Amino acid sequence: DAGITQSPRHKVTETGTPVTLRCHQTENHRYMYWYRQDPGHGLRLIHYSYGVKDTDKGEVSDGYSVSRSKTEDFLLTLESATSSQTSVYFCAISELFRTSGSNTDTQYFGPGTRLTVL
Amino acid sequence: RKEVEQDPGPFNVPEGATVAFNCTYSNSASQSFFWYRQDCRKEPKLLMSVYSSGNEDGRFTAQLNRASQYISLLIRDSKLSDSATYLCAVSRDNYGQNFVFGPGTRLSVLP
Repeated sequence: DAGITQSPRHKVTETGTPVTLRCHQTENHRYMYWYRQDPGHGLRLIHYSYGVKDTDKGEVSDGYSVSRSKTEDFLLTLESATSSQTSVYFCAISELFRTSGSNTDTQYFGPGTRLTVL
Repeated sequence: RKEVEQDPGPFNVPEGATVAFNCTYSNSASQSFFWYRQDCRKEPKLLMSVYSSGNEDGRFTAQLNRASQYISLLIRDSKLSDSATYLCAVSRDNYGQNFVFGPGTRLSVLP
């Protein structure tokens, strides 16, 4: 299994409070991702990082910010949590490599964080 | 039209059956394709990559049809332990770094 941990694994918080989720990897992979998974929507990309201090938005980035100060850590922050952000959050990592002239990549997922915003 | 679509199922099949899932995608620029398996309340785990020529791993066969823009997963001789949700993942661009995941197809293998 890929060396990816997430903390906390479970969190209950109240609307309006800030929340930070942490993803830690020991694989030294360049790319890291934050997804949320909700019934009926599947996995949706929130933000991703392609290197230290290099991040970009995904399809559902509103209300979320990220930071990556070290290769191994990728933080997801909900500045002011809302009930619509109740979800399961997964971190993923990947490394780009080339095969026969094409770019391929596999993403490996952390165990997830279950966040409930009351 | 959603970028990636899958039949949500559930597919309920008896042990030993053969079952096939399809996943359609809309972005013709997609270059990388994968099947993931997700058990209840667990993270998705890579099942197999999908190569242009098709590939097989034991009881599992994956195929890509670029002309019709879909990938498929065939499971032969289903086991109880195959019960899970199967997600397809398709890269958004030529660099393969951003994936779009399908909503998943749930499979229940019955004794």
